[in-house]
Amino acid sequence: GNSVTQMEGPVTLSEEAFLTINCTYTATGYPSLFWYVQYPGEGLQLLLKATKADDKGSNKGFEATYRKETTSFHLEKGSVQVSDSAVYFCALSDRGGSNYKLTFGKGTLLTVNP
Amino acid sequence: SQTIHQWPATLVQPVGSPLSLECTVEGTSNPNLYWYRQAAGRGLQLLFYSVGIGQISSEVPQNLSASRPQDRQFILSSKKLLLSDSGFYLCAWSAFGTGRDSPLHFGNGTRLTVT
Repeated sequence: GNSVTQMEGPVTLSEEAFLTINCTYTATGYPSLFWYVQYPGEGLQLLLKATKADDKGSNKGFEATYRKETTSFHLEKGSVQVSDSAVYFCALSDRGGSNYKLTFGKGTLLTVNP
Repeated sequence: SQTIHQWPATLVQPVGSPLSLECTVEGTSNPNLYWYRQAAGRGLQLLFYSVGIGQISSEVPQNLSASRPQDRQFILSSKKLLLSDSGFYLCAWSAFGTGRDSPLHFGNGTRLTVT
């Protein structure tokens, strides 16, 4: 079956620090990969996605590259801000039965201190 | 533009009481609809999904059920709540027929506490 493993948090950084959140996956097919972000008390929002090997998704200064050879999709940002404090979820989309389904990792809580 | 509404935002219910959470989507037709539960330290668990009116697929056996009485309405129910039903429930939609590239769009969730 499909699964997503992401680094356990919480991760605490100072403002302007470099961020990496690791994500690896296993899939039976050729999945699309996503990062979602959840701010306190809210639902999830799509942050970025990549649909094929070597694609780089980017948004709001965050980047992640689809690495098929290492089955990874690590999230990076060069300089984090306090407003980036949130829970980050890695996810994959693959066919399951008659529909495509998203499988999520457990989430990584990021706290950025001023 | 498309919007998704989910209510109530918070709910406290006693054990054994019934449950009804509602989710509606506006601005799109024939969406795929989903119910997820988020428990602390366990990520998101897919509970139900629906590709059309009256079509419900259940991912895990549990004390909950789902219904889709209208194209853009998705309801999560229980006849008798258990303590283990506590959690954060998220409704989501994706565009019909767009395959694996299509992202999910989430509502703001319902925090359910069973006492």
